[in-house]
Amino acid sequence: DAGVIQSPRHEVTEMGQEVTLRCKPISGHDYLFWYRQTMMRGLELLIYFNNNVPIDDSGMPEDRFSAKMPNASFSTLKIQPSEPRDSAVYFCASSLVGTDEQYFGPGTRLTVT
Amino acid sequence: AQSVAQPEDQVNVAEGNPLTVKCTYSVSGNPYLFWYVQYPNRGLQFLLKYITGDNLVKGSYGFEAEFNKSQTSFHLKKPSALVSDSALYFCAVRGFYGNNRLAFGKGNQVVVIP
Repeated sequence: DAGVIQSPRHEVTEMGQEVTLRCKPISGHDYLFWYRQTMMRGLELLIYFNNNVPIDDSGMPEDRFSAKMPNASFSTLKIQPSEPRDSAVYFCASSLVGTDEQYFGPGTRLTVT
Repeated sequence: AQSVAQPEDQVNVAEGNPLTVKCTYSVSGNPYLFWYVQYPNRGLQFLLKYITGDNLVKGSYGFEAEFNKSQTSFHLKKPSALVSDSALYFCAVRGFYGNNRLAFGKGNQVVVIP
């Protein structure tokens, strides 16, 4: 398997623009997680899905953030409108079951100017 | 709420010397414990986990970790560090009950000096 795939790897955008990050989990994995990593706050869980259903979105910072998982092989994280404080590395991870280790994608480095 | 503490910001060790990265946890009930490693510009990679059973867990790249319930600790160890072990190391925990959120520590930068 190719592992967790994320696109784009780098995104530079201007404040106010819409940003969409994409993730393809490992085939057969039932759980999908979105994280954000910054120097100041470390690694934060934003939201996770089980069998395409959002289970816990308490980490989503505000209404500007939304995530969807329309099928088992694809998820998006959208920021609209984007702000400079959203600049971070966003990781997607998947796992077979909730207690299993999570497999992380390479991340998307987002810069909002 | 579950949480992890990694008390040191950076761990410096000479190549060939033993490496220890400390982690203590707080969780209701029995813990599931994990160690991950992150190399520059990469995602986190799984190293090892403790679910139940033997307190000494062996993982990838020669790493091991010891679960100590009385001290609520799960320290990562390697008998002989390599320069290539220089990376950011994260400890994580989730409780036996409750949802499947992992609580990650802030990470420890390990620098192995040649």
